[in-house]
Amino acid sequence: DAKTTQPTSMDCAEGRAANLPCNHSTISGNEYVYWYRQIHSQGPQYIIHGLKNNETNEMASLIITEDRKSSTLILPHATLRDTAVYYCIVRVANSGTYKYIFGTGTRLKVLA
Amino acid sequence: NAGVMQNPRHLVRRRGQEARLRCSPMKGHSHVYWYRQLPEEGLKFMVYLQKENIIDESGMPKERFSAEFPKEGPSILRIQQVVRGDSAAYFCASSASANTYEQYFGPGTRLTVT
Repeated sequence: DAKTTQPTSMDCAEGRAANLPCNHSTISGNEYVYWYRQIHSQGPQYIIHGLKNNETNEMASLIITEDRKSSTLILPHATLRDTAVYYCIVRVANSGTYKYIFGTGTRLKVLA
Repeated sequence: NAGVMQNPRHLVRRRGQEARLRCSPMKGHSHVYWYRQLPEEGLKFMVYLQKENIIDESGMPKERFSAEFPKEGPSILRIQQVVRGDSAAYFCASSASANTYEQYFGPGTRLTVT
C-alpha cells in the first residue's frame, strides 16, 4: 500500500519554479523520502532524497515539514525536458533491508 | 560505466507460455530489485535479491513468478504460464549495498501477453 499521496497532474510555465507537493502522514521516524521521475515510460531517474532537513542538489530542492508529514519538491527553473511523472517515495526499512514504496505520481507538464 | 541493463526490451508471449526477463546490474552492484508497473500506475515492489539469495519477496505473486540472481550472470525474473494480466512493464534496479541511498533503474522490459 502506498504511503504517499500526490496530485494527479500539474502544469507549469517554462522558466518558472515547479512546486510538487506530497503527503506522507504515516511516515515513520527512520523512513526517508525520495523523489524520482519517469520520462516517457523510461526507467525512473533519481532526483533527491531527505530525512528531516531540507536538501538541495543540482536538479532540485526538497522541503520537508517539521512534523515530516509532507514535503515539496521544487524544480527552480522548469524546462520542457522536465515534463515527466514525478514520484514521491517512502523508503521502508524491514529487518535491515530497504524497499521503495511508490505512490501514483504527479504528471507534470511544462508549457512553453 | 554502463548502467543497469535489461533485456529484452520488448517481449510478446501467448497465454500459457513462459517469460524470462534479464537484468544486469551496474558494475560493482550486488543488490537487485524488481518492480512491476501496470499501465497508468506507479511501480510496485516485487522482490529484492542479493547474489544467490532472495532477501525480500513480499511483493511477488505466490504462484507462477520466481526470481534468481546467480553467482555468475544476470538476475532473472521468470513468469510461468503467463496470463493477460501479466502484461506490464518490469523494471529492475540495482544498488551497491543494502542501505545505500540510491537505486539505479534499468530501461525496463515491456511484456505483452496475447
